[in-house]
Amino acid sequence: EPEVTQTPSHQVTQMGQEVILRCVPISNHLYFYWYRQILGQKVEFLVSFYNNEISEKSEIFDDQFSVERPDGSNFTLKIRSTKLEDSAMYFCASILSGSGNTIYFGEGSWLTVV
Amino acid sequence: AQTVTQSQPEMSVQEAETVTLSCTYDTSESDYYLFWYKQPPSRQMILVIRQEAYKQQNATENRFSVNFQKAAKSFSLKISDSQLGDAAMYFCAYRSANQAGTALIFGKGTTLSVSS
Repeated sequence: EPEVTQTPSHQVTQMGQEVILRCVPISNHLYFYWYRQILGQKVEFLVSFYNNEISEKSEIFDDQFSVERPDGSNFTLKIRSTKLEDSAMYFCASILSGSGNTIYFGEGSWLTVV
Repeated sequence: AQTVTQSQPEMSVQEAETVTLSCTYDTSESDYYLFWYKQPPSRQMILVIRQEAYKQQNATENRFSVNFQKAAKSFSLKISDSQLGDAAMYFCAYRSANQAGTALIFGKGTTLSVSS
């Protein structure tokens, strides 16, 4: 079964450093998402991406965050200057089309900011 | 804005027994989808079951079934013949069908423990 893959699975970074989390969505999917889950809390939507641009973003997705699809397959989330509160599991997800189909999640990237 | 509420932070069940996890949601839309996701200790998000709001029939996937009450905006998950491997965090989620590409909105989750 096709799957969403994410790298790295775990990253430890120092506060203030830039981090890039990478995702390879399922190949024929059109919409891509990043979600965040702080330990013990609910899964929160960050941003959705379609046709090479952001289609929706949450209040959490401020100027510290950016997304891009640099090469037609990878989908990246960049955090410019990490803060302690950015420590969380970050999930990438994708969906075939805009409505109806199931959103598929990757296994997550666990980011620890120290 | 839509919201999803899971009022049970923790639930427990014995092996082979049945347990029901509650979920309510708030929306003014008539067309939407509802989901239950399972998150085991590995923290992967695994789809358990989905329900289209326009369908009156409750969805069923093997030991998992839902009780969808559209008027009451309630979407509970029933797990029959519980197994040790069912122990996980369960998230209820909502997704609008009115706009392409809209994101999932999650509840806070219910931690299910299963004892032998």
